[in-house]
Amino acid sequence: ILNVEQSPQSLHVQEGDSTNFTCSFPSSNFYALHWYRWETAKSPEALFVMTLNGDEKKKGRISATLNTKEGYSYLYIKGSQPEDSATYLCAFNRAGTALIFGKGTTLSVSS
Amino acid sequence: SQTIHQWPATLVQPVGSPLSLECTVEGTSNPNLYWYRQAAGRGLQLLFYSVGIGQISSEVPQNLSASRPQDRQFILSSKKLLLSDSGFYLCAWSSSGGYNEQFFGPGTRLTVL
Repeated sequence: ILNVEQSPQSLHVQEGDSTNFTCSFPSSNFYALHWYRWETAKSPEALFVMTLNGDEKKKGRISATLNTKEGYSYLYIKGSQPEDSATYLCAFNRAGTALIFGKGTTLSVSS
Repeated sequence: SQTIHQWPATLVQPVGSPLSLECTVEGTSNPNLYWYRQAAGRGLQLLFYSVGIGQISSEVPQNLSASRPQDRQFILSSKKLLLSDSGFYLCAWSSSGGYNEQFFGPGTRLTVL
């Protein structure tokens, strides 16, 4: 059974803090790793699709790295803002297969 | 541009009643379509996916079923709802090629009483 693990399950930071989360996935037959942001009462929104070992992606204050050999990805948020509060999901897939999602990391940012 | 619609947004149903949730996609053809559920305190669980009309793959045995009567329409059904069917249901689509990046609908909050 393929499993995607995310940690921590939740965290609470102060406005301005930088933070990071981890996503672990099976390293064999890797095809793509996806990060989604899911705000309460909205639908998940794609942040990044990462496909190559060593990939680094950046969107504003959010960035992500990928290590396919050891099977992990980090998501970083620099200078957290209250509007960053959301659940961050990662998902893994092999070629031709559906995405397998982790349970997510729920971030709460206090002003 | 592509858009995905789901309805209803919320639904409260008694145990044993039938269910029909509908999802439609606009602006793309031959998409892959998915139904997910998030139960309370749990992650996103893939229920069904479809790569074409009439082609349905089930990921989890349950009392739910899915159908794809048209290229851009995906329906989730049940003949008799259980309490455990309560949750947030999301429809998603992806291009038939590429890395399977998925785009989600607004979701349906189902409460079974």
